[in-house]
Amino acid sequence: GDSVTQMEGPVTLSEEAFLTINCTYTATGYPSLFWYVQYPGEGLQLLLKATKADDKGSNKGFEATYRKETTSFHLEKGSVQVSDSAVYFCALGSNTGTASKLTFGTGTRLQVTL
Amino acid sequence: DGGITQSPKYLFRKEGQNVTLSCEQNLNHDAMYWYRQDPGQGLRLIYYSQIVNDFQKGDIAEGYSVSREKKESFPLTVTSAQKNPTAFYLCASSQQGMNTEAFFGQGTRLTVV
Repeated sequence: GDSVTQMEGPVTLSEEAFLTINCTYTATGYPSLFWYVQYPGEGLQLLLKATKADDKGSNKGFEATYRKETTSFHLEKGSVQVSDSAVYFCALGSNTGTASKLTFGTGTRLQVTL
Repeated sequence: DGGITQSPKYLFRKEGQNVTLSCEQNLNHDAMYWYRQDPGQGLRLIYYSQIVNDFQKGDIAEGYSVSREKKESFPLTVTSAQKNPTAFYLCASSQQGMNTEAFFGQGTRLTVV
């Protein structure tokens, strides 16, 4: 079945440091890939997405490129801020017959300090 | 404002009681989902529904039940058969298709004592 593997956290960085959160996936067919962010006590919000190979999703300084050859969708940001502290989830969207669903990784907690 | 609303935010129940979590959306989305979130395990899919009066089991459906009588509503019942019900429950909705964004509610934290 479909699965998503993320690097374990927590990831602790100083403000303005470079961020990478690794994500790899296993899926049949051609899934869409997403990064969601969750702030404490809240639901998830879409951060960015890519729907086909070599697509780059970007939002709020975050980027991720859909790499089919390495089945990866790593999240990057050049300079993190304290406000980026949250839990980040990689997810893939796939079809199962007539239905579609999202499969999530376990999440990576990011803590940014001054 | 359009969105997805879960209620209540916090819920306490005694062991052995059934409890129903509410999820309502006014986004006119066809698809709705229930996820369970536990520390260190990410989100696991409980049930999903692509259309009114139809739903499918997800990866951890045992001990849960749902209904989809209206497009905008997808309540989840946690039954006494669920062995470890204490968790954070998230409801989501999306347009049809795996390329589309899912919108999440704020979650319900269920504690069984």
